[in-house]
Amino acid sequence: SQKIEQNSEALNIQEGKTATLTCNYTNYSPAYLQWYRQDPGRGPVFLLLIRENEKEKRKERLKVTFDTTLKQSLFHITASQPADSATYLCALDEEGGANNLFFGTGTRLTVIP
Amino acid sequence: GAVVSQHPSWVICKSGTSVKIECRSLDFQATTMFWYRQFPKQSLMLMATSNEGSKATYEQGVEKDKFLINHASLTLSTLTVTSAHPEDSSFYICSARLVQETQYFGPGTRLLVL
Repeated sequence: SQKIEQNSEALNIQEGKTATLTCNYTNYSPAYLQWYRQDPGRGPVFLLLIRENEKEKRKERLKVTFDTTLKQSLFHITASQPADSATYLCALDEEGGANNLFFGTGTRLTVIP
Repeated sequence: GAVVSQHPSWVICKSGTSVKIECRSLDFQATTMFWYRQFPKQSLMLMATSNEGSKATYEQGVEKDKFLINHASLTLSTLTVTSAHPEDSSFYICSARLVQETQYFGPGTRLLVL
């Protein structure tokens, strides 16, 4: 069956450290993978997209890697701040699909001051 | 940036009534909009894809007669939950696609059916 797993339901880290979140998928062949941030009671906000032929993407303090052999994406937040506390969702499409997104269960990140 | 709004932001209704939720793309035209449902501590589940001027495409297990979707213009899609029951209580989120892959999400509508 198809699965998108984010290995930690919750992650607590100290302010200033690098947070690393993991997204693993099974029985998908995505052309791209995306990461979103969701705050409580709000809709997701797009952060980064990485394509299957890209190994790494950066945006300010964010870095995403994509390993299609391992079927895994890593999402890093460097120099983390309390304001980064939120739930982070990975999402991917399905090869040959209509660009519909399928979401992982999310990791709730808490950055402790 | 691309902005998507939803109305209402929350609604409480009695069992058996129908509820309409609007999703608007405010500063761009969206030929495709998506409707998701999210239960507490769970991820977003795609309910249906709404294409302007044509019938919506529903995901497996989603009843099209219960969740009516209308995408009458390039900036507006509506979701009507007909004869709502307590198990329909959830957080409903729409999104609109601007470029091929990226979706911009609305703020969500929390529905509570008593």
